[in-house]
Amino acid sequence: EDKVVQSPLSLVVHEGDTVTLNCSYEVTNFRSLLWYKQEKKAPTFLFMLTSSGIEKKSGRLSSILDKKELFSILNITATQTGDSAVYLCAVWSNTGKLIFGQGTTLQVKP
Amino acid sequence: NAGVMQNPRHLVRRRGQEARLRCSPMKGHSHVYWYRQLPEEGLKFMVYLQKENIIDESGMPKERFSAEFPKEGPSILRIQQVVRGDSAAYFCASSPGAGHEAFFGQGTRLTVV
Repeated sequence: EDKVVQSPLSLVVHEGDTVTLNCSYEVTNFRSLLWYKQEKKAPTFLFMLTSSGIEKKSGRLSSILDKKELFSILNITATQTGDSAVYLCAVWSNTGKLIFGQGTTLQVKP
Repeated sequence: NAGVMQNPRHLVRRRGQEARLRCSPMKGHSHVYWYRQLPEEGLKFMVYLQKENIIDESGMPKERFSAEFPKEGPSILRIQQVVRGDSAAYFCASSPGAGHEAFFGQGTRLTVV
C-alpha cells in the first residue's frame, strides 16, 4: 500500500533556528513528491521534486529528494514566526491520486 | 489566471439536509481531487475525478456521499442527509494530471447543526 510518513510530527524552535523536516515514502511507480505549507486555511504549494539530488530553493526554504533511499527533506533557515504552520508532504500514487503524510506542525517562538 | 475556486466558503446545514460543495479547477486542469480535513488532523483523500469520470473513490464513504465532474461546469461533492460527524473542511485540488503540480482551493467549511 502506498504511504507517506513525516517526522517529526511536531517541532518547536526559536526564531533564527534552522529546521529540517523529513518525509519518507513507499509508492509504486514514483512520479514526483510535493511539499505544501498549511496555515489556518488551504495548503499552499511550495515545491515539486522529481529528480534525486537536485535542490529546489525559494528564499529561506529548500528541499531535496533521494529516490534511492525514498525520502525528501525540507529545510528552513533563519526561521521566523511567520514560518509557523503545518508542513505537508505528498506523493502521487500509482492510481494517480495524491497521498499525504500526517504533516509536521512547526511552531517558531519569538 | 484564477486559481482553484471553491464555493461556498462556509456552509451551515441542519441534520438531515443535503450539502452541495462546488469546485472549479484551474484553467487547463482536468483532474480534480477532493479531501476532507477534521480539526487538528491531516488531509484525507476522498475522490479523484476527471471530466465525466470517477477515477478513484476509495476514500468516499459508501453511503450519502457522491461526487461528479460533468463535461461542463464545476465538480460537485454532494452529501445527503448530513450528520454532525460530517462537519469538517472540504478541500478541492486540481492538476493537469498525475505527477504534476497540484493546487488547492480555499476550502468549504461545513458545519452541521
